[in-house]
Amino acid sequence: NTVMTQSPTSMFISVGDRVTMNCKASQNVGTNVDWYQQKTGQSPKLLIYGASNRYTGVPDRFTGSGSGTDFTLTISNMQAEDLAVYYCLQYNYNPNTFGAGTKLELK
Amino acid sequence: QVQLKESGPGLVQPSETLSLTCTVSGFSLTSYSVSWVRQPSGKGPEWMGRMWYDGDTAYNSALKSRLSISRDTSKNQVFLKMNSLQTDDTGTYYCTRDSLITVFDYWGQGVMVTVSS
Repeated sequence: NTVMTQSPTSMFISVGDRVTMNCKASQNVGTNVDWYQQKTGQSPKLLIYGASNRYTGVPDRFTGSGSGTDFTLTISNMQAEDLAVYYCLQYNYNPNTFGAGTKLELK
Repeated sequence: QVQLKESGPGLVQPSETLSLTCTVSGFSLTSYSVSWVRQPSGKGPEWMGRMWYDGDTAYNSALKSRLSISRDTSKNQVFLKMNSLQTDDTGTYYCTRDSLITVFDYWGQGVMVTVSS
């Protein structure tokens, strides 16, 4: 199976910060990577598809990049409403596999 | 609008079978695929399997021997059955829709399943 390794596991951030988190695939997945945001007690929500495409309604402070094995999600100008766990997912291979998540917490 | 809603028992005895139903609205099961995804508390999600729009199925190999996914298009429902449940099957179970451009664009609210005697 394709393992998706996310780093860091958690980050302590302040409102207004620029936040960068990473996801590394154990094999080449092209650009078949999504990013999801999950707030406490809620279902995950699609943010970025195809590694770099913002889903409908997602603010432009969220940017995805990468291809092959290395992917990045950047949040510019972090807002309090962005506090959540972020997961990457590869759908290039079956089974589709998620990372373990990066949790954003307030300093 | 697009909605998915999971239903089923919250508590299952070890070694027994879990049966869940996903009822969808706002789209057709013959046009979109639906997946089941589960998430243990505090951990990342795990894709379990998929009912393709054409009626075919795909399963996570780790669960394939225990898992069955079916559907009733007339009722807009997708079903999950998983047997031989153990305590590490405890978690929240979601049904999700595969979009035309990627996977998992819409998620249900989830149903919490606890495996315990």
